[in-house]
Amino acid sequence: SQTIHQWPATLVQPVGSPLSLECTVEGTSNPNLYWYRQAAGRGLQLLFYSVGIGQISSEVPQNLSASRPQDRQFILSSKKLLLSDSGFYLCACFETVGTQYFGPGTRLLVL
Amino acid sequence: GQNIDQPTEMTATEGAIVQINCTYQTSGFNGLFWYQQHAGEAPTFLSYNVLDGLEEKGRFSSFLSRSKGYSYLLLKELQMKDSASYLCAVREGGGKLIFGQGTELSVKP
Repeated sequence: SQTIHQWPATLVQPVGSPLSLECTVEGTSNPNLYWYRQAAGRGLQLLFYSVGIGQISSEVPQNLSASRPQDRQFILSSKKLLLSDSGFYLCACFETVGTQYFGPGTRLLVL
Repeated sequence: GQNIDQPTEMTATEGAIVQINCTYQTSGFNGLFWYQQHAGEAPTFLSYNVLDGLEEKGRFSSFLSRSKGYSYLLLKELQMKDSASYLCAVREGGGKLIFGQGTELSVKP
């Protein structure tokens, strides 16, 4: 079965600083990978998804970007963080049998 | 447009049965998911329905009616640990999941 790793688990960053969140997947190959954000008390919002290396689709215009340098690695980045970027960031992997699993998440607080 | 509606919160008693409803209007449909999310944790997968009918898995069951754009999650023999947020999500093309806002379930003794 697949395992999704995310780091860091928690991050506190000042406004205007850069960001890099990493997601890696084990136990599967050529997965569809997703980045979601959950603001406090809100539902999950899809940010980016990738069907393969170097292929990124953006769902919401914003100051975030994503990259997929390797088959099982998905990175979320920002050059300058905003206060509104605070939230719970979740990486997810989709299996062809119809199940989507989430990683443990990264809690980001921008001050 | 895309719209997924769930009640914001529900309260039930330990040992009872509770039904959480979800209605959806989406541009595409490739299945409906239910997830459980405890405070501060990532969502965990509960069920997946792609055909009409009832899927049963232990104390949890999920129902889908595609013609009505409707699903429900049924929790039986409620336990205190079932207190959590329950998320309904519809899969569109490309495996993308569109989530509702979630239903906060409180189980009381």
